[in-house]
Amino acid sequence: FILTQPHSVSESPGKTVTISCTGSGGAIAKNYVQWYQQRPGRAPTPVIHKDNRRPLGVSDRFSGSIDSTSNSASLTISGLQPEDEADYYCQSLDSNSPVIFGGGTRLTVL
Amino acid sequence: QVQLVQSGAEVREPGASVRISCKASGYIFINHYIHWLRQAPGQGFEWLGLINPNGRGGARRAPRFRDRVRMTTDASTTTVYMELDSLKSDDTAVYYCARDESSGYTYFDNWGQGTLVTVSP
Repeated sequence: FILTQPHSVSESPGKTVTISCTGSGGAIAKNYVQWYQQRPGRAPTPVIHKDNRRPLGVSDRFSGSIDSTSNSASLTISGLQPEDEADYYCQSLDSNSPVIFGGGTRLTVL
Repeated sequence: QVQLVQSGAEVREPGASVRISCKASGYIFINHYIHWLRQAPGQGFEWLGLINPNGRGGARRAPRFRDRVRMTTDASTTTVYMELDSLKSDDTAVYYCARDESSGYTYFDNWGQGTLVTVSP
């Protein structure tokens, strides 16, 4: 099971951006998807778990969803702010490994 | 609050071993699996393995690290250790410990700050 993310996305402050995480080799809806934000030189922090749950303290500008038709998960960030500029990683699991990550998406806030 | 504090940066020669510690605090140590992951420069995450700190030794390693990674725990100091043997230059990476919320699906709710391991002659 492989998770594929776009290498990069960019959008202007105040706008909304969506980052995709497409599964291949299995159904993405079979296991929960998590999303992590990683700023340069820092450890990752979770922004979405269990497909669409926000950890305590994470802004409601972050939301997650699953689309079984396209076999993909999405992270949507609304009202973009400069501090949202970071790398974002999706994570799930499959029968062979308890941990699978997407390759990461670099978000640039123009 | 939950904290995972890792040991400092290490430099090793090829063929050597390295041991990294991860000191946990702010929660009941035995209630959460600890995972080890790494991130090579400019790359994504690679999972090395997980350990159950409950003292009964449950651990699982990624197949490609099965022969080179050992994980141990010390409940008296709430510390988890990861040792990587036979280091090669492509083992140069930042190594992270991460707590699994352990709600039935793998979710890293807290991470250590990372430990840079540099493998160089």
